[in-house]
Amino acid sequence: GENVEQHPSTLSVQEGDSAVIKCTYSDSASNYFPWYKQELGKRPQLIIDIRSNVGEKKDQRIAVTLNKTAKHFSLHITETQPEDSAVYFCAANNDMRFGAGTRLTVKP
Amino acid sequence: DSGVTQTPKHLITATGQRVTLRCSPRSGDLSVYWYQQSLDQGLQFLIQYYNGEERAKGNILERFSAQQFPDLHSELNLSSLELGDSALYFCASSPWASGEQYFGPGTRLTVT
Repeated sequence: GENVEQHPSTLSVQEGDSAVIKCTYSDSASNYFPWYKQELGKRPQLIIDIRSNVGEKKDQRIAVTLNKTAKHFSLHITETQPEDSAVYFCAANNDMRFGAGTRLTVKP
Repeated sequence: DSGVTQTPKHLITATGQRVTLRCSPRSGDLSVYWYQQSLDQGLQFLIQYYNGEERAKGNILERFSAQQFPDLHSELNLSSLELGDSALYFCASSPWASGEQYFGPGTRLTVT
């Protein structure tokens, strides 16, 4: 089955800085890579996703890049704000396995 | 609000007991997934149903079982409960067999 590794496990940045979270996967047949944000005590919510036929996708301050050859994809958040503080999970679709999560803290 | 509903919201029960968690997917979604999230832990995939049939199985214990009914709602049955089963149980739904998932608010299970 798929193995998804996510780094770092915790990330602390100053408001306005950028944050990058990376995931690697093992199953080369995976073709869908979502990112979920989970605020404290709430449900995970899809924030952005990418399919294997593109290398990058952007939505305002959030972007995801995919390198199929190296089997890794990354979440980029620019101009971070305190409300970006949450746990972020990546996943690769060929198995319903999520990465272990990254706790992002944005300090005002 | 994702459109996915889960009941009950909270459940407190004793070791050795059996409980049933219920999930109603978004209108039109055919897939239902179940996940377990222990305190400060990640999302552990348990099982997926697609249009009434089991499609994928994760780290689901033999004491746990699930089913998806003709109206597409799903139930997760947890039996012979242990203290370690205390967790948040999420269900998620998706229109297709794979792709974006929409999570319900979760059921918090406490086993005492």
